[in-house]
Amino acid sequence: QKEVEQNSGPLSVPEGAIASLNCTYSDRGSQSFFWYRQYSGKSPELIMFIYSNGDKEDGRFTAQLNKASQYVSLLIRDSQPSDSATYLCAVRPSSASKIIFGSGTRLSIRP
Amino acid sequence: NAGVTQTPKFQVLKTGQSMTLQCAQDMNHNSMYWYRQDPGMGLRLIYYSASEGTTDKGEVPNGYNVSRLNKREFSLRLESAAPSQTSVYFCASRPDRGEASEQFFGPGTRLTVL
Repeated sequence: QKEVEQNSGPLSVPEGAIASLNCTYSDRGSQSFFWYRQYSGKSPELIMFIYSNGDKEDGRFTAQLNKASQYVSLLIRDSQPSDSATYLCAVRPSSASKIIFGSGTRLSIRP
Repeated sequence: NAGVTQTPKFQVLKTGQSMTLQCAQDMNHNSMYWYRQDPGMGLRLIYYSASEGTTDKGEVPNGYNVSRLNKREFSLRLESAAPSQTSVYFCASRPDRGEASEQFFGPGTRLTVL
């Protein structure tokens, strides 16, 4: 079992709709969770981080964490064509400096 | 403040050749990381260093060696390159200021092994 799993997509969402991206992780003691966005040919850039159960909102983005289910998600409201990218879920396992990434979900926003 | 820099940006090697990928950060971060990214895939951790003088294996360390030369620099060496090592290599650093401290990524090195 991979440490961090994501649906590879592609996920196609109409402009203005809500895009929902999901991620599961295997280490129950994991402490920190990150969502990165990566445009083609570019480096990943941080969108959100979360480390407490529940929801965290930042503008059009909401991260949701459920440690009991070992599940973290990212919601993008009012999706824009500029949101088309690959979204990477990253997890910091318990008491470790390493950070493990999922394989990424490719999101396409159609006009 | 250049952030995380990587050299070279592009490299073509023949099977069996060796090379070192260089990474440096000027943000005084403790932790540094090397990842590889294959087409359509996420980042896979090769090695990381939690502090100067320490290194640890990640998910895919075979065929690679690393050196944390000082707090600023973290190099990745391929002793005998193989076509399976064709990939984009990203270096990252992190300040370890607590749970939510993010990684900062370099621009990547695109390596092709023929």
